[in-house]
Amino acid sequence: DQQVKQNSPSLSVQEGRISILNCDYTNSMFDYFLWYKKYPAEGPTFLISISSIKDKNEDGRFTVFLNKSAKHLSLHIVPSQPGDSAVYFCAADSGTYKYIFGTGTRLKVLA
Amino acid sequence: NAGVTQTPKFQVLKTGQSMTLQCAQDMNHEYMSWYRQDPGMGLRLIHYSVGAGITDQGEVPNGYNVSRSTTEDFPLRLLSAAPSQTSVYFCASSPTGEAQHFGDGTRLSIL
Repeated sequence: DQQVKQNSPSLSVQEGRISILNCDYTNSMFDYFLWYKKYPAEGPTFLISISSIKDKNEDGRFTVFLNKSAKHLSLHIVPSQPGDSAVYFCAADSGTYKYIFGTGTRLKVLA
Repeated sequence: NAGVTQTPKFQVLKTGQSMTLQCAQDMNHEYMSWYRQDPGMGLRLIHYSVGAGITDQGEVPNGYNVSRSTTEDFPLRLLSAAPSQTSVYFCASSPTGEAQHFGDGTRLSIL
């Protein structure tokens, strides 16, 4: 049973436009969520996080939104740049340090 | 700072062989973890540690052993390699168990 789901395997966006990556979860005990970016042949890099006491967190071009009632979070990248082309993973934790990752969404930003 | 260093980067083993994947971090992080990433799947937690002398199982611990005798090192041992353990292995560390710094991975093939 997949507790964290990224239902879009890939996404293409024009440079300068908004990229929206989605993540759904099933475990209502999850209270901390993170987004990582991964380039080929490299390890994931932390992007942004949000705890369940918030519904939004911003860091520069990156904003994460959390809808607890829908068990849904999304990552917005504005404006998108070619260097943002990577695989994006969401991850969730319920305070146990046992992170559950989604399967990833491959973002391609077209110049 | 080197960050999180994983060795080796590539390894080929025969079924039944044992080996140790090395992971070292120079950031004095208390939390360290091991993940595996298989095609089409997200990262899955194998084992983690919240400090020297303390380890715990993650989502997929069978066939793997860990120990944490120092803050810096967190080796992962494959006891008797099986083809199902062919994967890319990532080690990560974090000051408090939240946003993690990942190594660049070890690509392991078991024949």
